[in-house]
Amino acid sequence: TQLLEQSPQFLSIQEGENLTVYCNSSSVFSSLQWYRQEPGEGPVLLVTVVTGGEVKKLKRLTFQFGDARKDSSLHITAAQPGDTGLYLCAGDDNFGNEKLTFGTGTRLTIIP
Amino acid sequence: DTAVSQTPKYLVTQMGNDKSIKCEQNLGHDTMYWYKQDSKKFLKIMFSYNNKELIINETVPNRFSPKSPDKAHLNLHINSLELGDSAVYFCASSLRGTGTFHEQYFGPGTRLTVT
Repeated sequence: TQLLEQSPQFLSIQEGENLTVYCNSSSVFSSLQWYRQEPGEGPVLLVTVVTGGEVKKLKRLTFQFGDARKDSSLHITAAQPGDTGLYLCAGDDNFGNEKLTFGTGTRLTIIP
Repeated sequence: DTAVSQTPKYLVTQMGNDKSIKCEQNLGHDTMYWYKQDSKKFLKIMFSYNNKELIINETVPNRFSPKSPDKAHLNLHINSLELGDSAVYFCASSLRGTGTFHEQYFGPGTRLTVT
């Protein structure tokens, strides 16, 4: 069974600080996605990374896919209260089973 | 212009009852999913349908029965509800095919509370 472990599980920081969230697995994924979920809503796709070592930027968010495609990180620069939410990584093993494996989640709170 | 919609948003019911949750997507996707999110926010897939055909059926009690009348709709019926069924249930859709990565578009969720 594939498992995606995210760390930290909880993170509470002051507005303006930088942070990094990690998503680790012993399995190889053909692609990896990051989602953000706000209270009372469904997860919303932020980005998909496909190539080992790939880096994608979305404003103040930087996503990186590990060289071996087993891990990923999300770095937020100058965090803002609007960044508060549950961040989920999800891996696609592309073995034809048509499903994503979701990570354990990181609950991020940005304090104004 | 809602992309993935679910009804109801909240569902409170007693143990032993039977209930249904409905889901519709207007994105033109061909694959739909049901997920269960527990109190620790872990998101676990339950079922997936592609063009009305069941393609994923995880280890879910057979009290849960999905039904897809067409590729834009996927409903979930739950029989003999138990306390442990309390959770948030999310419907999602995606596009299947070469060059796609099963990127999921989620509905707003249905919070089921069994008392």
